[in-house]
Amino acid sequence: KAGVTQTPRYLIKTRGQQVTLSCSPISGHRSVSWYQQTPGQGLQFLFEYFSETQRNKGNFPGRFSGRQFSNSRSEMNVSTLELGDSALYLCASSPFLAGVGLTGEQFFGPGTRLTVL
Amino acid sequence: QKEVEQNSGPLSVPEGAIASLNCTYSDRGSQSFFWYRQYSGKSPELIMSIYSNGDKEDGRFTAQLNKASQYVSLLIRDSQPSDSATYLCAVNNSGYSTLTFGKGTMLLVSP
Repeated sequence: KAGVTQTPRYLIKTRGQQVTLSCSPISGHRSVSWYQQTPGQGLQFLFEYFSETQRNKGNFPGRFSGRQFSNSRSEMNVSTLELGDSALYLCASSPFLAGVGLTGEQFFGPGTRLTVL
Repeated sequence: QKEVEQNSGPLSVPEGAIASLNCTYSDRGSQSFFWYRQYSGKSPELIMSIYSNGDKEDGRFTAQLNKASQYVSLLIRDSQPSDSATYLCAVNNSGYSTLTFGKGTMLLVSP
């Protein structure tokens, strides 16, 4: 099975711009989560989507938003970029097992490295 | 605030030794526990999952869970230089499928 894919892999933007990142989960996985990783804060949870619905949201400002499509692909958007948004943005997908539900195991994509100048 | 604590390291061990990585968590309702390995410049890779008290072994890796003490550990036997990486402990948030990650322990295995 192909793994989680993320595009683009690298982005350079300037303050005030907006950006859209894309994630395709492992085939058959219906849950997609997004994380921000920085050297100082580590991995921080942004949001989780399951069957096109946002199930959980982390403690990030409203400038960060996301959505999930019917094919489970997901996008996240960051508007009015700030210097502090420079980070590695990781998408992870989780399998849903009949009779078990979401296992909690998350499989990460390669990430999108965002640099805000 | 749910927290997952790890010693940042680095933890240095010689090749062939046992590396012991530890993690504590604050959410008593957590049911699922994971260890991820992250090489520099790469994304985290799931290496172990553990759901019940006790030990779980997979090759050179053993995960240990003690829910009463809210403690998870990872043992790596016969450590190799290729094991040099940052190891992230992750704990599910009770009632949800989301994970809270520790900041990771850097492991350095010297030849």
